[in-house]
Amino acid sequence: ELKVEQNPLFLSMQEGKNYTIYCNYSTTSDRLYWYRQDPGKSLESLFVLLSNGAVKQEGRLMASLDTKARLSTLHITAAVHDLSATYFCAVNNNDMRFGAGTRLTVKP
Amino acid sequence: DAMVIQNPRYQVTQFGKPVTLSCSQTLNHNVMYWYQQKSSQAPKLLFHYYDKDFNNEADTPDNFQSRRPNTSFCFLDIRSPGLGDAAMYLCATSRVWGSYEQYFGPGTRLTVT
Repeated sequence: ELKVEQNPLFLSMQEGKNYTIYCNYSTTSDRLYWYRQDPGKSLESLFVLLSNGAVKQEGRLMASLDTKARLSTLHITAAVHDLSATYFCAVNNNDMRFGAGTRLTVKP
Repeated sequence: DAMVIQNPRYQVTQFGKPVTLSCSQTLNHNVMYWYQQKSSQAPKLLFHYYDKDFNNEADTPDNFQSRRPNTSFCFLDIRSPGLGDAAMYLCATSRVWGSYEQYFGPGTRLTVT
């Protein structure tokens, strides 16, 4: 059964700092997704990573995928308060499985 | 402009009183999904439809049913809601079954009193 593990589960960081969220998964897949969720809201698609070595950037967020290591990272550069949210990675291997989510709080 | 629409956005029902949640899509996607997301947890897939073919997850309680009368609409029926069924219910669609991107609706927040 496909398992998806995210860490950390909780992340509190100061504005201006950098940090990385990790997503490990247990079976072969070349399709990985990152979503953002604000409290009480639905999932907002951030990145779709479709091949080994894929790297995508949007603003202060950059996502990468290493299918050999079964690892994806979401890197936050110079965090700002607006990035505070819960971030989910998900692996789709004919069945979408989500990580537990990383609750990010960015403090001034 | 909305692609996946869910109604209502907020639903309050009484313990044991049947409730139906609605999802519609303008993407003409073949697959529609229903997820349950409890507070501070990841979304959990309940079932999906590939066209008219219904696929239930093994651990989805019998209390949850679904209908898809046409390509655009899909309904989630909870026959006898319990307090533990209070959650956000997310509808999603994808073009075909498989490892394709899923597009999520805004969700319905269900409260059971």
